[in-house]
Amino acid sequence: GEEVAQTPKHLVRGEGQKAKLYCAPIKGHSYVFWYQQVLKNEFKFLISFQNENVFDETGMPKERFSAKCLPNSPCSLEIQATKLEDSAVYFCASSPTRTAGGETQYFGPGTRLLVL
Amino acid sequence: DQQVKQNSPSLSVQEGRISILNCDYTNSMFDYFLWYKKYPAEGPTFLISISSIKDKNEDGRFTVFLNKSAKHLSLHIVPSQPGDSAVYFCAASGSGATNKLIFGTGTLLAVQP
Repeated sequence: GEEVAQTPKHLVRGEGQKAKLYCAPIKGHSYVFWYQQVLKNEFKFLISFQNENVFDETGMPKERFSAKCLPNSPCSLEIQATKLEDSAVYFCASSPTRTAGGETQYFGPGTRLLVL
Repeated sequence: DQQVKQNSPSLSVQEGRISILNCDYTNSMFDYFLWYKKYPAEGPTFLISISSIKDKNEDGRFTVFLNKSAKHLSLHIVPSQPGDSAVYFCAASGSGATNKLIFGTGTLLAVQP
């Protein structure tokens, strides 16, 4: 598609439950990124993929967070055993290629996760 | 360690006047800078970008200036319109092993009719 699509829009989980978020990048884009916006204006990088391969996972809390981008499927971000502090808006972004001058990342509308 | 800083949390401008949003960075390895606009409950929308080999990029009402020696960039919006009211984020990326964006904390722009 022409836009990054994210589902669901909202997700409510009890503490300790699993949460799974989905992202369909713009068609033809090679890179997918996940960001977490916890406080109102603070974006934290989680992980990036080049096609189905992890490119950079330095931002991922490894114990409970995992992510995948499989061929012909939406990318996913999964949180096992959610905690209250996981409450945030999770944004997915995609970009076409990576060049020396940099590439623009295009963002989806986000999934708002609330952990109670 | 905040590598990208937007020191003005908010800015109020009259319709038709110029809006100037500022951004400072500390990492000299950054080589690509972007501005995003964000409305509540929506994702960031790309506005304009600039490579570190340039000092100015213009797109319609939006111009971004980059001063590498000062590690400073600014976004100029002329003329400002009420529909420009939103939170503006600057972001930076480097050419190293990662392609992640580092975001500033945003500036809330209010354009008064």
